[in-house]
Amino acid sequence: AQKVTQAQTEISVVEKEDVTLDCVYETRDTTYYLFWYKQPPSGELVFLIRRNSFDEQNEISGRYSWNFQKSTSSFNFTITASQVVDSAVYFCALSEARDSGGGADGLTFGKGTHLIIQP
Amino acid sequence: DVKVTQSSRYLVKRTGEKVFLECVQDMDHENMFWYRQDPGLGLRLIYFSYDVKMKEKGDIPEGYSVSREKKERFSLILESASTNQTSMYLCASRLPLWDHKTPGRQPQHFGDGTRLSIL
Repeated sequence: AQKVTQAQTEISVVEKEDVTLDCVYETRDTTYYLFWYKQPPSGELVFLIRRNSFDEQNEISGRYSWNFQKSTSSFNFTITASQVVDSAVYFCALSEARDSGGGADGLTFGKGTHLIIQP
Repeated sequence: DVKVTQSSRYLVKRTGEKVFLECVQDMDHENMFWYRQDPGLGLRLIYFSYDVKMKEKGDIPEGYSVSREKKERFSLILESASTNQTSMYLCASRLPLWDHKTPGRQPQHFGDGTRLSIL
């Protein structure tokens, strides 16, 4: 069965520090998809990024970067020069490839990392 | 922009009541999902639907049912509410995955959530 582990329950840093959120996953599929979502205090889940298992290229988007390491089954998320607005709960999620017709598979989420950026 | 709307942000009901949570999306997405989010447990999939009148059980379907009579609307039903169903409920939708070689690729888009309290 698939599983996503976010070992860091809560991280607190001072503004402008860099911070890395860890995500380790387990799956038996050779094709799978990884996602990061942000949940600010208002409650909505905001999609940040998706990564296909067959594409190991790392990605950078502004202050955000993601490091996909298939050898260690990890998909870590780094925020550079953190800001107070980055404070939120961040979820890593996994979707396996399934040949199920419509392909309407759900996401398996980690338990989330609560990131607190102090001014 | 993607828009998923949940009918209520906050809802208070009594034990034994029949409760309806409504979710509407305006993106013509075939796939829709219901999750519940609890502290320390992350998000867990209750039910999903890959098309109108279609439904499949997720990881924790007990005590719930769903209805998908129209493409844009996916309802979660608590037949007889119990206190252990007090939770945050999140609805999501997604484009279909007709390429069976690369399912799971599209991200899910979430509503703002309904915080349900059963007294």
